[in-house]
Amino acid sequence: EAGVTQFPSHSVIEKGQTVTLRCDPISGHDNLYWYRRVMGKEIKFLLHFVKESKQDESGMPNNRFLAERTGGTYSTLKVQPAELEDSGVYFCASSPDATGELFFGEGSRLTVL
Amino acid sequence: AQSVAQPEDQVNVAEGNPLTVKCTYSVSGNPYLFWYVQYPNRGLQFLLKYITGDNLVKGSYGFEAEFNKSQTSFHLKKPSALVSDSALYFCAVRDAGTYKYIFGTGTRLKVLA
Repeated sequence: EAGVTQFPSHSVIEKGQTVTLRCDPISGHDNLYWYRRVMGKEIKFLLHFVKESKQDESGMPNNRFLAERTGGTYSTLKVQPAELEDSGVYFCASSPDATGELFFGEGSRLTVL
Repeated sequence: AQSVAQPEDQVNVAEGNPLTVKCTYSVSGNPYLFWYVQYPNRGLQFLLKYITGDNLVKGSYGFEAEFNKSQTSFHLKKPSALVSDSALYFCAVRDAGTYKYIFGTGTRLKVLA
């Protein structure tokens, strides 16, 4: 069974550009989470989908970030326009229910120059 | 508000010695507690969790953790460390009333041969 996959693994863009990160969760997992880790700091919650609905988006930094999960399958996280402080590793995780462990992707490293 | 603290940035231990990685938490309700491990250039992998029941929880790779309600702690332990245990360890908590997982800043474990 395929795990959580994320694309791209690494993206380098200039300030003001747009980047879209993609996450394919494990098939059948209704819960999908986005997290971000800035170097040396905590893994910070961004948002949580249940199927195609946003259950909690309290961690989204500002309106430059847009997450979607059309059809309740894969999800995208778009940053537009990117700023220097958006650099970090963006993790996607999925789970079949909201009580158990999360299954993580390998992360998408975003570098904004 | 929920929070997790991992007071040590790094823990060094000699191979064969017991190891402890510390974690304390704060939640308003009953906690769901987790430990994850991250190897270089990989996603986080689930190690173990505490939901309810016995305070000593056993997990993958010989790790265990002890839930202490009075001290609000969930320290990760292993009786005999291996060099291959060297990695970044994250503690996480989820409030039973929400679906948001809160992670700590991580502790780098270095096992010396």
